[in-house]
Amino acid sequence: NAGVTQTPKFQVLKTGQSMTLQCAQDMNHEYMSWYRQDPGMGLRLIHYSVGAGITDQGEVPNGYNVSRSTTEDFPLRLLSAAPSQTSVYFCASSHDRFFPYEQYFGPGTRLTVT
Amino acid sequence: LAKTTQPISMDSYEGQEVNITCSHNNIATNDYITWYQQFPSQGPRFIIQGYKTKVTNEVASLFIPADRKSSTLSLPRVSLSDTAVYYCLVAPNYGGATNKLIFGTGTLLAVQP
Repeated sequence: NAGVTQTPKFQVLKTGQSMTLQCAQDMNHEYMSWYRQDPGMGLRLIHYSVGAGITDQGEVPNGYNVSRSTTEDFPLRLLSAAPSQTSVYFCASSHDRFFPYEQYFGPGTRLTVT
Repeated sequence: LAKTTQPISMDSYEGQEVNITCSHNNIATNDYITWYQQFPSQGPRFIIQGYKTKVTNEVASLFIPADRKSSTLSLPRVSLSDTAVYYCLVAPNYGGATNKLIFGTGTLLAVQP
């Protein structure tokens, strides 16, 4: 199993540009989530999904959209990038959609918005 | 969700046992305690989870006193490769609130040779 994969590993955007961060998992996990990590702030939950077709907001959802059309994929869209969205983004999945304590994280995407 | 408090950083030497304590005074009856480890430039990795008393796995032990207002992650005989940030999380075991696992800033453990 590849586990949780994320692409790209690095990305530089200009303010106002849009892009999609890709996340895929091959473990047939129903629960998937997106976090951002900024220096000195730990991880903050952006959006999560408990199954295909179901998404919900986390702590910091503004400026981000998600969709979940398949069990495997959970892309994160930035519609109009802002410098405040410069961060490291982690995608995670869990086998337990109700009690997702044990989450498997991807390697992260480092995003810089200039 | 219960707020957690951990030391910002800790130092240790190779071969020592390290205990990282997390305070969660407002823990609720349905809350579980979970610990994650994060190495530089990597995503967090689940270490251990518990509800009360003691839980042990191949990596660590988790001690939870009867009042459950704190928990201690114990790492036996640490090595340089245990240098990482350790996060304590508290969340209830029912859907909705549990779906929003909240990571704090964690404890940076630095292991010296």
